[in-house]
Amino acid sequence: QITLKESGPTLVKPTQTLTLTCTFSGFSLSTSGVGVSWIRQPPGKALEWLALIYWDDDKRYSPSLKNRLTITKDTSKNQVVLTMTNMDPVDTATYYCARRRAITVSSTAYWFFDLWGRGSLVTVSS
Amino acid sequence: EIVMTQSPLSLPVTPGEPASISCRSSQSLLLSNGYNYLDWYLQRPGQSPQLLVYLGSNRASGVPDRFSGSGSGTDFTLKISRVETEDVGIYYCMQALQVPYIFGQGTKLEIE
Repeated sequence: QITLKESGPTLVKPTQTLTLTCTFSGFSLSTSGVGVSWIRQPPGKALEWLALIYWDDDKRYSPSLKNRLTITKDTSKNQVVLTMTNMDPVDTATYYCARRRAITVSSTAYWFFDLWGRGSLVTVSS
Repeated sequence: EIVMTQSPLSLPVTPGEPASISCRSSQSLLLSNGYNYLDWYLQRPGQSPQLLVYLGSNRASGVPDRFSGSGSGTDFTLKISRVETEDVGIYYCMQALQVPYIFGQGTKLEIE
């Protein structure tokens, strides 16, 4: 069974740094064709993609948040960590980690988010 | 950055009736390989999103065949042939062509 679970603080103060951990099981992030991403959802609002790390340690970030985000992986622990600096109340959201997996369709690789964690609500308030 | 626009934002439906959600992208999601880089996700109340359709029209594993995706280029549609009560939730389209991956605003399907 494949699972992903987010963990981290539920409350952070403005200007603090948020560190979230995604712990997964049932797959390895050292396997080709796999990545793990962070996506957030402010209360009552739409989904916003944040960052992605691939099995080969290639990383992608949302341009609007790139200066504040760092994504890393620890393959031995089956974990992906997201840090977000200078937190603000507008960053209050449920933060999800999701597996990004590639399939081959007529010799073309196509990636999608096939499995998601249950999410971790982070509130930013003084 | 690609902009994704969904309509309607709210969709009340009677069980057994069909439903249709539109998604428009600000630039074409059709690549020269003939594939459209567009996914659909469903977020049921209190749950995480789940993949419904990828490549514009391919149902994900375990997704009932009453769901179908269509469209090409900049205009896409998700159709439910006969809505069931378990289909309640928010439907999102997402462009998978380039980073940043952008989701639509979401369409909330409710049972009348």
